[in-house]
Amino acid sequence: DADVTQTPRNRITKTGKRIMLECSQTKGHDRMYWYRQDPGLGLRLIYYSFDVKDINKGEISDGYSVSRQAQAKFSLSLESAIPNQTALYFCATSDPSPIDGTDTQYFGPGTRLTVL
Amino acid sequence: GNSVTQMEGPVTLSEEAFLTINCTYTATGYPSLFWYVQYPGEGLQLLLKATKADDKGSNKGFEATYRKETTSFHLEKGSVQVSDSAVYFCALLQIQGAQKLVFGQGTRLTINP
Repeated sequence: DADVTQTPRNRITKTGKRIMLECSQTKGHDRMYWYRQDPGLGLRLIYYSFDVKDINKGEISDGYSVSRQAQAKFSLSLESAIPNQTALYFCATSDPSPIDGTDTQYFGPGTRLTVL
Repeated sequence: GNSVTQMEGPVTLSEEAFLTINCTYTATGYPSLFWYVQYPGEGLQLLLKATKADDKGSNKGFEATYRKETTSFHLEKGSVQVSDSAVYFCALLQIQGAQKLVFGQGTRLTINP
């Protein structure tokens, strides 16, 4: 079974609709992240959470919100979707290594969202 | 601010060719450096990493050495295979403030038989 899962894998919606993307992990990590990927731009950070009570904005948080329901679950919402939010969305998890402190991130398979 | 610049793609090579994908970075201090790979239709997978200067990360025949003098982390493989066709991302782990990954734009690699 995959350690980091995302649902749905694909979604087509219309402008103005509310959309929720979900992420679950079985790695036992405290830290979770949401990124979006656009062609030629790499991945950009939307929101991140270092534990259940901690939520932080990333570089492109406008138009998005998140909820950390449990250590294992981190949801991303688009309150009113617009076409330029069409992208590939990735969830990731991490925990600092007890050996060298490096915080390696592990990614889910992604959700392809299309806003018409 | 911190940034990562990767070699422009796409890159097309023949099987068994030598591969280099250049990556340079700008950062405060000495961040950890990573290469991730994205196969068609899949998420990102960690390929290799290096956490300090002169470290060499390696995996699946790929290697990259952390060069602080040139602020580089170039990815190399001696003999590529068709199955190496993917998009490769270089990234640094920002160490000041909250630890966050900063990605390059990605390099699409296609290997022809």
